[in-house]
Amino acid sequence: NAGVMQNPRHLVRRRGQEARLRCSPMKGHSHVYWYRQLPEEGLKFMVYLQKENIIDESGMPKERFSAEFPKEGPSILRIQQVVRGDSAAYFCASSPETSGRLFREQYFGPGTRLTVT
Amino acid sequence: AQTVTQSQPEMSVQEAETVTLSCTYDTSENNYYLFWYKQPPSRQMILVIRQEAYKQQNATENRFSVNFQKAAKSFSLKISDSQLGDTAMYFCAFSKLTGNQFYFGTGTSLTVIP
Repeated sequence: NAGVMQNPRHLVRRRGQEARLRCSPMKGHSHVYWYRQLPEEGLKFMVYLQKENIIDESGMPKERFSAEFPKEGPSILRIQQVVRGDSAAYFCASSPETSGRLFREQYFGPGTRLTVT
Repeated sequence: AQTVTQSQPEMSVQEAETVTLSCTYDTSENNYYLFWYKQPPSRQMILVIRQEAYKQQNATENRFSVNFQKAAKSFSLKISDSQLGDTAMYFCAFSKLTGNQFYFGTGTSLTVIP
């Protein structure tokens, strides 16, 4: 069973361009989470999605950032008009459905390192 | 709000020795989960060990064990018989029982010295 896949692994964008980060969850997983890791810091939660729905976006910046998880295809984290402060590693995690249990184990992908020049 | 604090930015240990990484957290929840993740240079996040707060017994996974002190809100990781492959960043993390997000500390960089 392949793990969580993220691509690209490295992405370079100039200020003002758009960045699209993709996450394919593990097979059978329908819950996706995005985290951001700034240099020298831990991971910070951004958004939690289920298929076609945003469940919790309390960690998403109010502007320029959006996320989706369509019925078919990977989850996309989109950053419009990138600025230098967006340079970070972006991690995706996925979870399976759980029946009768509240807690969902999160399995992390290898991350995408975004560099804004 | 939940916070996780790791007060040791860097640590080192001789190969085959034992090292303990510290973590404290703050929450008003009574039941929750705590984790230690390892992040090697590849940056892949690897789950090392998980502790359920309602279980009094400390979790162990081979050479890795935790000292969970619920009243003190402390969750330290002990690595026994350290190996070169243990060199990595180690992150402590918290999750509510019903929550959907993990809260991470700032990490401890561990170097195992041959």
